[in-house]
Amino acid sequence: DIQMTQSPSTLSASVGDRVTITCRASQSFSSWLAWYQQKPGKAPKLLIYKTSSLESGVPSRFSGSGSGTDFTLTISSLQPDDFATYYCQQYYSYPYTFGQGTKLEIK
Amino acid sequence: QVQLVQSGAEVKRPGASVKVSCRASGYTLTDYYIQWVRQAPGQGLEWMGWINPNSGETNYAQKFQGRVTMTRDTSISTAYMELRRLRPDDTAVFYCCRGGIATPVYYYYGMDVWGQGTTVTVSS
Repeated sequence: DIQMTQSPSTLSASVGDRVTITCRASQSFSSWLAWYQQKPGKAPKLLIYKTSSLESGVPSRFSGSGSGTDFTLTISSLQPDDFATYYCQQYYSYPYTFGQGTKLEIK
Repeated sequence: QVQLVQSGAEVKRPGASVKVSCRASGYTLTDYYIQWVRQAPGQGLEWMGWINPNSGETNYAQKFQGRVTMTRDTSISTAYMELRRLRPDDTAVFYCCRGGIATPVYYYYGMDVWGQGTTVTVSS
């Protein structure tokens, strides 16, 4: 199984900050990575697929990049609605696996 | 609007089975794969497998092989996930998700529609 490790596990930031979350895979693959946002008590929401493609309706302040084993999710200017937990997911091979999550907190 | 509506919360004894339903509306069930994901309390997301509602083909995570069965009833636009021989560590919220175009070939691009989740509690 491909292990996905996110860093940091917790991130404290302020409204307006630029933040980056990293997802590292235990083996290399190309593009087949998605990012989700989850708020407490709610289902996750798809933000980005295929590493850098923005899901319809997702604000352009979210962006994704990477290849090989290292992938990143960047939020260019944090908004109050962005404080949540973020997960990466690889879909290069079965079983699809998620990172452990990064909780984005208000500083 | 496009949505997946899941069945209600369940409380089960260890060793029992649970069957969660997931009704699709606003789109044709057979056009997209249904993925199942679970989340234990305070934990991350875990992929369980998928079903192609068009053909009935399934793909289960090895961890759940032999305990899980995913089915569908296209006449009522509903997918099901049954988990057997429940253990206390199966306590979780189970989500069905729309994930992947079904025709002409499987093309997965993430899970873009999620059900509201079904809480399954396993306790003696």
